[in-house]
Amino acid sequence: AQSVTQLGSHVSVSEGALVLLRCNYSSSVPPYLFWYVQYPNQGLQLLLKYTTGATLVKGINGFEAEFKKSETSFHLTKPSAHMSDAAEYFCAVSGGYQKVTFGTGTKLQVIP
Amino acid sequence: EPEVTQTPSHQVTQMGQEVILRCVPISNHLYFYWYRQILGQKVEFLVSFYNNEISEKSEIFDDQFSVERPDGSNFTLKIRSTKLEDSAMYFCASGEQIGYTFGSGTRLTVV
Repeated sequence: AQSVTQLGSHVSVSEGALVLLRCNYSSSVPPYLFWYVQYPNQGLQLLLKYTTGATLVKGINGFEAEFKKSETSFHLTKPSAHMSDAAEYFCAVSGGYQKVTFGTGTKLQVIP
Repeated sequence: EPEVTQTPSHQVTQMGQEVILRCVPISNHLYFYWYRQILGQKVEFLVSFYNNEISEKSEIFDDQFSVERPDGSNFTLKIRSTKLEDSAMYFCASGEQIGYTFGSGTRLTVV
């Protein structure tokens, strides 16, 4: 079984500041980890994914995440926030070609 | 870039009516999924479909739900007798590799 915990349902950052969205997972098998972004009234867009190999994963829009097995974490970062980054971000985990289990989401607000 | 297409984007139906939500997955994908997101809540898994049969379903996916691939390209979710609590955004997804592509969703409103 897999589960995801996202710390902080709302995060506010200033434009140009570091974005850090936290995600911890639990998985009984080697996990596949994902971050999705959802803009208002839109679908889910895959930002990045970790399957195997390099633990630092780069995604679209300047985001990256690092898989830390010892900490069971997969935090999402971006060095410099842009106004267009304001959205809801979902961390998710799966055991492969199985269902993806989503976290409860973190709404990112970017303050000008 | 290939997309998963869902129709309609918004559907309003009366309680007790049947609805069919339609999805056109990416053509070479083999795995298909339905998820739903009740307003303000997390995205929940409903069902996965592979090789023309259900491979896994959640406890939400009870007898009032069914899925089909009627013509080898479309992938439908049917809700036989809608309830108020079925109001949600329904997402279809398809995958070939790890990490699937989601459609933009159908917002179902049951009145």
